[in-house]
Amino acid sequence: AQSVTQLGSHVSVSEGALVLLRCNYSSSVPPYLFWYVQYPNQGLQLLLKYTSAATLVKGINGFEAEFKKSETSFHLTKPSAHMSDAAEYFCAVSDTPGYSTLTFGKGTMLLVSP
Amino acid sequence: EAGVTQFPSHSVIEKGQTVTLRCDPISGHDNLYWYRRVMGKEIKFLLHFVKESKQDESGMPNNRFLAERTGGTYSTLKVQPAELEDSGVYFCASSQPGEGPTDTQYFGPGTRLTVL
Repeated sequence: AQSVTQLGSHVSVSEGALVLLRCNYSSSVPPYLFWYVQYPNQGLQLLLKYTSAATLVKGINGFEAEFKKSETSFHLTKPSAHMSDAAEYFCAVSDTPGYSTLTFGKGTMLLVSP
Repeated sequence: EAGVTQFPSHSVIEKGQTVTLRCDPISGHDNLYWYRRVMGKEIKFLLHFVKESKQDESGMPNNRFLAERTGGTYSTLKVQPAELEDSGVYFCASSQPGEGPTDTQYFGPGTRLTVL
């Protein structure tokens, strides 16, 4: 069975600071990994996904994530936080080729202060 | 292009009543998924349709939940009778196969269900 652990239910940063949201996974087979973001009153939006190509994955809005097999991690980073980045972020894993029944972490709320 | 839509956005019902949630996927998407997030917990998979067929319903909590996707377009999720523990946000997602090694799911805004 696969699982996802997101360290920290809330992360606070100042505007302009580095954003680091942590995600560790467990999977018995090579995984597909995803980061989604949910802004208030909206659905989940895909930020980026890893599908066994490049280990450093670039996504939308300046976010990127690095797949590290040895650490079973897929942490999300952004060099400089904007106020508009305040949202809830979800890491998810799938091990099914073709279609992806997702297993999610509990989510991390990112708070950005001026 | 319209995204995934869900109706209603909020529903408040009493224990024992019936509620039906609706999801309209992105036009042409064969895959349709239902997920649920109970307060304070992770988003959990409920079931997956491919066109009108149930591909995987391993996440359905019990037989009080019934999902349908007649004609392979929109889907409904009925809860009958509703219990307090059914409260949460129900998300629908759709995708189209063939985008690569795995599909990308597009999520709707969710239906917030409160059972009193």
